[in-house]
Amino acid sequence: SQTIHQWPATLVQPVGSPLSLECTVEGTSNPNLYWYRQAAGRGLQLLFYSVGIGQISSEVPQNLSASRPQDRQFILSSKKLLLSDSGFYLCAWSVGRSPGNTIYFGEGSWLTVV
Amino acid sequence: GEDVEQSLFLSVREGDSSVINCTYTDSSSTYLYWYKQEPGAGLQLLTYIFSNMDMKQDQRLTVLLNKKDKHLSLRIADTQTGDSAIYFCAERGFQKLVFGTGTRLLVSP
Repeated sequence: SQTIHQWPATLVQPVGSPLSLECTVEGTSNPNLYWYRQAAGRGLQLLFYSVGIGQISSEVPQNLSASRPQDRQFILSSKKLLLSDSGFYLCAWSVGRSPGNTIYFGEGSWLTVV
Repeated sequence: GEDVEQSLFLSVREGDSSVINCTYTDSSSTYLYWYKQEPGAGLQLLTYIFSNMDMKQDQRLTVLLNKKDKHLSLRIADTQTGDSAIYFCAERGFQKLVFGTGTRLLVSP
């Protein structure tokens, strides 16, 4: 069966520090991978998605970046965090891109920028 | 563009039915989803419905879709305290899911 792992689960970082959140998927190959963010009291916003190694699409301009160095690994990074980067970050995966392919989520990472 | 709206809060008593509503704007959406998020956790897929269906039932969950009005609802029968969570409606475009802001369901004993 397929599983998705995301870490760290919680993170407290000072403003201006770097960020690295990692996500891996097991039990499938060539998944589509996604990073979503849920800010306090708000819905989920798609940040990045990837359909293959080295292929990253950004949905919103921001000081975050994503990379996919391996088929089942997706990394969310920042060189200098802002207070507004605080939130709950969710990695997700799907097989294929058609609307019928369900997207499955990891357990999320809580980021607090202080 | 795509937009999904939900009411923010719903409170029910244990044993009652809960109905969570959602409206969406993208008429080309072919799949619509309901996700559940428990405190501090990721999103759990509850159910989904294809746009050519009006209703889908899965145990205590019933999804109703009114495609003309772009209205989706999730009914939870015999609501339990363990159903307390945030429920997200989402519409599926080609590359991504677009989510509503979520409805916080509070179930009191």
